[in-house]
Amino acid sequence: AQKVTQAQTEISVVEKEDVTLDCVYETRDTTYYLFWYKQPPSGELVFLIRRNSFDEQNEISGRYSWNFQKSTSSFNFTITASQVVDSAVYFCALSDHPGDYGGSQGNLIFGKGTKLSVKP
Amino acid sequence: SQTIHQWPATLVQPVGSPLSLECTVEGTSNPNLYWYRQAAGRGLQLLFYSVGIGQISSEVPQNLSASRPQDRQFILSSKKLLLSDSGFYLCAWSGVGEQYFGPGTRLTVT
Repeated sequence: AQKVTQAQTEISVVEKEDVTLDCVYETRDTTYYLFWYKQPPSGELVFLIRRNSFDEQNEISGRYSWNFQKSTSSFNFTITASQVVDSAVYFCALSDHPGDYGGSQGNLIFGKGTKLSVKP
Repeated sequence: SQTIHQWPATLVQPVGSPLSLECTVEGTSNPNLYWYRQAAGRGLQLLFYSVGIGQISSEVPQNLSASRPQDRQFILSSKKLLLSDSGFYLCAWSGVGEQYFGPGTRLTVT
């Protein structure tokens, strides 16, 4: 069965600190996709990144970076020089065939989320 | 570009009353559509998904139902709400990639 674990329930940092959010997943599929979403206090989930299982290159987007390691089934998310606006709940998710048709394929399995508080 | 709308934004309903939440998507055709529920302090639970008009799959048996009367419209309903139905309801759409979420409806059942 597929499963996503975000062991950190809450993290609190001071502005400008770097912070890493952990995500560990379980799947028997050889092809799968991993995602990160941000949920600010307004509630709407904002898509951040999608990574497929064949691409282990790390990704950097501004202050955000993602470290995908298949050997440890982890897809960790680092925010560099955190800002107050980064305060949100962050969800990691797993899917075998995002956007596919039929069955349960394409559905996202979410972790329970990590609440990040960045204090000024 | 694609946009997804949900209404109402907030709703307070008594136990036993009916429910109808609506979700519409603009700027895309034949999307996959999803309903999720997020209870307070918990993760997201997939309730229903649809791959086309009239095609609904339920992930969790409960007193909720979903319908897709048009290609870009997805409706979540209940005949009689329970206290446990309170939560934040999110609609999402996907094409051939990631899912994009609407602004959500916060439902409080009293």
